Parts: sequence; C-alpha cells; structure tokens
Amino acid sequence: IVMTQSPATLSVSPGERATLSCRASQSVSSNLAWYQQKPGQAPRLLIYGASTRATGIPARFSGSGSGTEFTLTISSLQSEDFAVYYCQQYYNWPPVTFGQGTKVEIK
Amino acid sequence: EVQLVESGGGLVKPGGSLRLSCASSGFTFTSYSMNWVRQAPGKGLEWVSSISSSSSYIYYADSVKGRFTISRDNARNSVYLQMNSLRAEDTAVYYCARQGDSSAYYSNNWFDPWGQGTLVTVSS
Repeated sequence: IVMTQSPATLSVSPGERATLSCRASQSVSSNLAWYQQKPGQAPRLLIYGASTRATGIPARFSGSGSGTEFTLTISSLQSEDFAVYYCQQYYNWPPVTFGQGTKVEIK
Repeated sequence: EVQLVESGGGLVKPGGSLRLSCASSGFTFTSYSMNWVRQAPGKGLEWVSSISSSSSYIYYADSVKGRFTISRDNARNSVYLQMNSLRAEDTAVYYCARQGDSSAYYSNNWFDPWGQGTLVTVSS
C-alpha cells in the first residue's frame, strides 16, 4: 500500500491552524498512525486508529478520516510543533508503509 | 518509564556484517512484538522487520529479505538485527520500535515508543 502525503512542505505562522493530508492507494480502514519527528530525534507517536491521541499528546492535535483519505490537524501551532510529520498504515502488512512526510515550517 | 536503547551501529565495508541490539525496560517485554525501522540520511522512514512476542511470526521488507535476520531474547528483554551482505543503500539510522498495543499482533502494529536510533554507515 502506497501512502502519499501532501503538501511536502507547509508554511504556517504560530497560532494558525495546520492541515496535513495522507492518502492511501487502497483502503486501510482506520489502521493509520501519525508521527512527529524533530531534527536529530526519533519519531514520536501522535495518533493511532486514525483519530485516537496517544498518551500525553496535546488536544490541539487531532486526526480524522478512514478508508483512503486522512487528515492531521494542529489547531493552533506552537513553536514546538514545527517538525516533520509522517503517516503510517498498519492495515495490510508486510510491509508496513509510511508516507514520505510533510515538513511544517515557520512562515 | 518505557525505554528502548539501541547499540551496535558503526562503519562497515560493503559486503560486511553488523549486529544491532535493542535493550528494553519499563514494560513486559514478552507481551509485545518488536520492530526495526530505518531512516537514510535526509530521507523518510522505512520499516525493516517485525518479530512477534514469541518469535512465531517474523516479517521482513523485500529490500532486506535474505540478508537481515531479526531475533529476540525474552530472558534478556532484547531484540536484535543481524545484518549481512551490507550495501551502501543500507546506510541509515536504525530505530527499534515497540508495537503500540499488545492485544493483537497484526492489527495493532503502530509504533510506540521508539529508541533513539543507532547509525549504520556502509562505505569503503
């Protein structure tokens, strides 16, 4: 299953909303996760099951979608949210597959 | 606190071998499947391999099948990745990652947490 994220780069001002998209080449039901990765750090789980926030993740992060279309929304960007975000499907594996990432940068 | 610590990375020549280790703590290791995920410099994430809690199920990415071997020692709370016939394209940071939920192996294979990673460089 090929995962395609858009856009590749998103320029957003602090306090604004960011909307990231992830599309699967075939249905993955709700078996989709989102990760955040900052430079020099390991990825961190944000969302699993398409919409369930992981432990300790702030409420400004929300996930939605099912089937082939998914969205990660950051309601009001904080300085610590500028990072690269990846989606991952675990519906039909192996292989587990990731999107190519969306970089959220400061506008 | 749940913790994963990788070791064993380094510089190796093409065709060489390396064994990565991932030591875990803070959770019941025998209940969770474990994974290896890699990231080439400046690139995205690529799943490498998965092993179920009892080692009954093992899967590999096509790019490493026949060259890499995943294993685990539940007595030592550790998972390993034996890498043979290494190629330049295997150069990456290798992360150990735990399955997100232990209740079902196949349907709960998101990754949480991740280790800090260990760098493998394949170069002559």
